[in-house]
Amino acid sequence: GQQVMQIPQYQHVQEGEDFTTYCNSSTTLSNIQWYKQRPGGHPVFLIQLVKSGEVKKQKRLTFQFGEAKKNSSLHITATQTTDVGTYFCAGLGAAGNKLTFGGGTRVLVKP
Amino acid sequence: EAGVTQFPSHSVIEKGQTVTLRCDPISGHDNLYWYRRVMGKEIKFLLHFVKESKQDESGMPNNRFLAERTGGTYSTLKVQPAELEDSGVYFCASSPQTRGLQAFFGQGTRLTVV
Repeated sequence: GQQVMQIPQYQHVQEGEDFTTYCNSSTTLSNIQWYKQRPGGHPVFLIQLVKSGEVKKQKRLTFQFGEAKKNSSLHITATQTTDVGTYFCAGLGAAGNKLTFGGGTRVLVKP
Repeated sequence: EAGVTQFPSHSVIEKGQTVTLRCDPISGHDNLYWYRRVMGKEIKFLLHFVKESKQDESGMPNNRFLAERTGGTYSTLKVQPAELEDSGVYFCASSPQTRGLQAFFGQGTRLTVV
C-alpha cells in the first residue's frame, strides 16, 4: 500500500536558523497536505499542494510539491519558539480519499 | 461552526475491558476518518467512512476493533477486549464531500490500557 516517509524524525534548531523537512511517497499523489501538531494538541491543517512543482508560502513557511508529485518539502526560515511542534505531511492517493500520514518531524527550538 | 468533537478526552481501562470512543464530525461532512497515534509515532490510518458506508477499513488492526457510523452522522469506535498495545491517541477527522479537501481533526481520545 501507499507509504509516506518523512525525514528527519527530529529537528533541533537554534532560534533564528532555517531548516527543512522532507516528505516522500511510494506512489504518485493526487495532492499533499501539511499539518502541525503542537505538544498535547491535535493536527491542524496548514496547507495543500495540488499541482506538480507547486510552491506556496505562508509567512516564514515555504511548501513545495515535487515535479513527479511524489515528494514535498517544508522550509522554515528564521525559526521562532512558536514553531515548536510536530509537522506532518499527508498524501492523498490517486484513488480514494484516504490521507496517508508521514511519521512527522518533531521540531524543538533552542532559544 | 462547531469543530470535530471527540469523547471521552481520556480513558483508562484494564486489559480485557471494553471501551467505546465517539466522534461527532463537523455537520455536513460526509467523510469521517479514524486515525491512531501510538507512543508518539506516526499517525496511522484506521478507517474511512463516506456517510454511513465504510469506504476503506484496511487500517483496522484486528477484529477487536469495530467502527460504526449509523445514519451517517456521529461515529463510534469500539475496542473489545482491549489489549495493552491498543494504548495511544485516537483521532477522528472529517472533511466535506468534495474530494481532496482538508481534514479537520478532533482533539483526540487518549486511551490507556493497563
